[in-house]
Amino acid sequence: GENVEQHPSTLSVQEGDSAVIKCTYSDSASNYFPWYKQELGKRPQLIIDIRSNVGEKKDQRIAVTLNKTAKHFSLHITETQPEDSAVYFCAASKNDKIIFGKGTRLHILP
Amino acid sequence: DGGITQSPKYLFRKEGQNVTLSCEQNLNHDAMYWYRQDPGQGLRLIYYSQIVNDFQKGDIAEGYSVSREKKESFPLTVTSAQKNPTAFYLCASSTRRESYEQYFGPGTRLTVT
Repeated sequence: GENVEQHPSTLSVQEGDSAVIKCTYSDSASNYFPWYKQELGKRPQLIIDIRSNVGEKKDQRIAVTLNKTAKHFSLHITETQPEDSAVYFCAASKNDKIIFGKGTRLHILP
Repeated sequence: DGGITQSPKYLFRKEGQNVTLSCEQNLNHDAMYWYRQDPGQGLRLIYYSQIVNDFQKGDIAEGYSVSREKKESFPLTVTSAQKNPTAFYLCASSTRRESYEQYFGPGTRLTVT
């Protein structure tokens, strides 16, 4: 079955700097790759997603890139702000079954 | 967010007892999911259902059971066979049409002693 590896598990960046979180997946048939943000005490919420027919997608300060050949995808957050502090999960999906990575705890340092 | 609900928020049980967690959605979503969240483990898929009266095992289905008798409801039973049931349980739903976005419920924290 699908296996999703996510790195790093913890990331600290200075406010205003960029943050990058990387994920790899094992099933080449996976065709949908969402990223979820979970703030402390709250439920996960979708922040951006990408389908396998697209290499890059951007939404304001957030971007996701996908390399199907290498089976990895990354989340990029630019100009980080205190409200970006949260746990971020990547996921890979095929036919409604979604497998999540173990999460990255992002700390934005003042 | 208000479209998918889980109850109760906190649940306490004695070891050896079965317990059922409720998940209801009024979003008219076809697919529903149950995840278990443990510190450092991310979201692990327990069961999912793409349509009424049908469901599939996820990666950690042992010790759990589900039913999908109605489109709106997807209850999860944690049986006494589950060796480490204490965890935070999240239910989610998705349309399977325009978007595959998963809408999560607020979660139930289960403590078994």
